[in-house]
Amino acid sequence: GAVVSQHPSWVICKSGTSVKIECRSLDFQATTMFWYRQFPKQSLMLMATSNEGSKATYEQGVEKDKFLINHASLTLSTLTVTSAHPEDSSFYICSARGLIPITDTQYFGPGTRLTVL
Amino acid sequence: DAKTTQPPSMDCAEGRAANLPCNHSTISGNEYVYWYRQIHSQGPQYIIHGLKNNETNEMASLIITEDRKSSTLILPHATLRDTAVYYCIVEKGGATNKLIFGTGTLLAVQP
Repeated sequence: GAVVSQHPSWVICKSGTSVKIECRSLDFQATTMFWYRQFPKQSLMLMATSNEGSKATYEQGVEKDKFLINHASLTLSTLTVTSAHPEDSSFYICSARGLIPITDTQYFGPGTRLTVL
Repeated sequence: DAKTTQPPSMDCAEGRAANLPCNHSTISGNEYVYWYRQIHSQGPQYIIHGLKNNETNEMASLIITEDRKSSTLILPHATLRDTAVYYCIVEKGGATNKLIFGTGTLLAVQP
């Protein structure tokens, strides 16, 4: 199946700093990628839809000024957690569906574990 | 997108078939049934999907009832590595369609 990578796989930062997480589709192109957040013992919660060349679409209750999304190319989307606080500590996961070549399924990255001290 | 209902947890003996049910009584005619699983601390992994017909791949089989209101994911010979949370999701497909995850079923494969 198609491969989606994330970098870094884990990060620890101090409160108040910003953290950038990269999501790459390695063997396909995607105009749309998705960002999820998952707290311990909970399901994945969709945060936003990342659109190549345009603004991201955020789900209700997600602060767009805090979670900055940039979809710079057909294979790269980035999520920046600005002024991170301990409550932002979570598991962040991205996903994408192939546009070129087209795929029916959505593929997920391995996730990035963020710990804010 | 239609909602799904899954049991919160199930046990299965290693080597036996695991049958995971999913109810999706409000599914629309153009919505697919997708199954993903998430092993602890990893990203979700695609398993299988279908529209109307039963489907089989190297990982599992998907049985969809004729009225499409429910489905069953079958892992034919469960192993300890199949212990995971299994999510049943119905959605239209397409590059821009988002997946909405429910709470899933925690399958515990016992030795």
